[in-house]
Amino acid sequence: GDSVTQMEGPVTLSEEAFLTINCTYTATGYPSLFWYVQYPGEGLQLLLKATKADDKGSNKGFEATYRKETTSFHLEKGSVQVSDSAVYFCALIIQGAQKLVFGQGTRLTINP
Amino acid sequence: DVKVTQSSRYLVKRTGEKVFLECVQDMDHENMFWYRQDPGLGLRLIYFSYDVKMKEKGDIPEGYSVSREKKERFSLILESASTNQTSMYLCASSLWGKIQYFGAGTRLSVL
Repeated sequence: GDSVTQMEGPVTLSEEAFLTINCTYTATGYPSLFWYVQYPGEGLQLLLKATKADDKGSNKGFEATYRKETTSFHLEKGSVQVSDSAVYFCALIIQGAQKLVFGQGTRLTINP
Repeated sequence: DVKVTQSSRYLVKRTGEKVFLECVQDMDHENMFWYRQDPGLGLRLIYFSYDVKMKEKGDIPEGYSVSREKKERFSLILESASTNQTSMYLCASSLWGKIQYFGAGTRLSVL
């Protein structure tokens, strides 16, 4: 079946550090890929997305590139801020389907 | 602006009680979803609905039912709450094949 695997958390970094959160997927069809973010006490918000191979999604300084050859969609940011502290979820949806498949989430804490 | 509203942020119920979690969206979306969020397990789909009175089981429907009498409202029902249903519940909605928008969540404790 379809699945998403994220790197284990929690991840703790200092402000201005470089961030990578790994995400790999297994899909039976042609997936679109997403990163959602959940700030403390809130629901999930879409951070970025990519709908086909080699697409790069970007938002708020975060980037992720859809790599079909490695079935990956790693999230990166060049310089993190304290306000980036949140839980990050990688997810996929198969073309024509309605159900998102989520990874287990990665909790990120940024220290000043 | 997109809005998905869950009626309660926090609920405390007793084992065996019937529990209703309500979700309302104002975007005229066809699809609505109920997820459960647990640490280390991510989000798991309980049920979803693609039209009024239509529903489909997700990955973990046991112990839950749903109701969608109006397009904007999707209710999750715990017929007889149990302690293993203590969790964060998230509602989402979407247009067909499009991005899902989430509510703020309801944290349910069953004692």
